[in-house]
Amino acid sequence: QVHLQQSGPGLVKSSETLSLTCGVSGYLIRNGYYWGWVRQPPGKGLEWIGNMHHFGDSYYNPSLKSRATISLNTAVNEFSLKLSSVTAADTAVYYCARISYCGGDCYSNFEWGQGSLVTVSP
Amino acid sequence: NFMLTQPHSVSGSPGKTVTISCTRSSGSIASNYVQWYQQRPGGAPTTVIYEDKQRPAGVPDRFSGSIDSSSNSASLTISGLRTEDEADYYCQSYHNHNQVFGGGTKLTVL
Repeated sequence: QVHLQQSGPGLVKSSETLSLTCGVSGYLIRNGYYWGWVRQPPGKGLEWIGNMHHFGDSYYNPSLKSRATISLNTAVNEFSLKLSSVTAADTAVYYCARISYCGGDCYSNFEWGQGSLVTVSP
Repeated sequence: NFMLTQPHSVSGSPGKTVTISCTRSSGSIASNYVQWYQQRPGGAPTTVIYEDKQRPAGVPDRFSGSIDSSSNSASLTISGLRTEDEADYYCQSYHNHNQVFGGGTKLTVL
């Protein structure tokens, strides 16, 4: 069974870059699936950020206007999120996820990390 | 892109049945799989239904999913309501590799 363990700072200054890492155990990320991030502002719903496959294909939420970058590190079996030029609106619980992929434009189940609260300070 | 619209809240008594709808704004609901996630306070989401109507191992058969093309919506039905079912529920689908979540529905078990 896959386990996703998130790490990274819980406080980021406005205009700087948010960086989070998701360590994966129980499955090798180079063997398949998409690996992605979802966030949830306090008291609000879930917002997809983006996901990436080890073949290099990546997709992002257009609303983030190219501020998000996801990368995979197969050597240490982890993947990361960088979100640049953050503002208070980026304060949220960030979740990493393994996303089942059935080929073409076909996706299925998200499996989630524990979540990390990131607060953007002035 | 499209939107998935859910009721803000639903409620039901223990032992009763509730249904949560998820309406797709454009494009066919049947064209792309729909998943449903349960999120208890302070916790991460967990899957209760995937690929429209499939239940992961460990999810009781009180949870069921369906698709209705006539209303372009998906539904999550929970029967035999239990107090531990009280949570937020989110539907999720995708199109052109963009993932979309519904706004979430708060289920209260009275």
